[in-house]
Amino acid sequence: DAGVTQSPTHLIKTRGQQVTLRCSPKSGHDTVSWYQQALGQGPQFIFQYYEEEERQRGNFPDRFSGHQFPNYSSELNVNALLLGDSALYLCASSLEQYTEAFFGQGTRLTVV
Amino acid sequence: KQEVTQIPAALSVPEGENLVLNCSFTDSAIYNLQWFRQDPGKGLTSLLLIQSSQREQTSGRLNASLDKSSGRSTLYIAASQPGDSATYLCAVRRNTDKLIFGTGTRLQVFP
Repeated sequence: DAGVTQSPTHLIKTRGQQVTLRCSPKSGHDTVSWYQQALGQGPQFIFQYYEEEERQRGNFPDRFSGHQFPNYSSELNVNALLLGDSALYLCASSLEQYTEAFFGQGTRLTVV
Repeated sequence: KQEVTQIPAALSVPEGENLVLNCSFTDSAIYNLQWFRQDPGKGLTSLLLIQSSQREQTSGRLNASLDKSSGRSTLYIAASQPGDSATYLCAVRRNTDKLIFGTGTRLQVFP
């Protein structure tokens, strides 16, 4: 079992650009959540997808959007990048909403 | 609004010591609590999950307890090793879907 996999591992973008991050959940998991972690802080919830629909959203602007595919993999899209979007983006998967969450290795996004 | 606090923020100990990391939360109406380990620049590794109906969980040298009524959880690490050096995060889940994290305890175990 490969666990939760994220791609790419590192990314450098210019302010104003758009970025897409990808996540494949742990085998058998149907729920994918995305988190943003700034340096020295705990992860902050962005949104969660279940059955290809966004179930819940954290306090993030509409520039952050996502998608879940029929195979349960997911994408996180961020438009009009700001310097403050620089962070580690983490994907977590679980079987249904309340079970143990497993995280990927994250994507380090740097906006310059 | 649920808030999660972890104390201490940082800890440096010699190898072999037994450690206690603390996590407190303001709203006791949680569904479960999960402890994670994070190495620098890496993702989160799940250590222990405690359901709200449970008092403790154990895995190897790790033991986590939960006192829901007082809004506290502790992670006990027995016989610490340099390989235990990492940031330890606790997170609570209410009857919603998201995890709410503390800011972590940064642990360094030196030989």
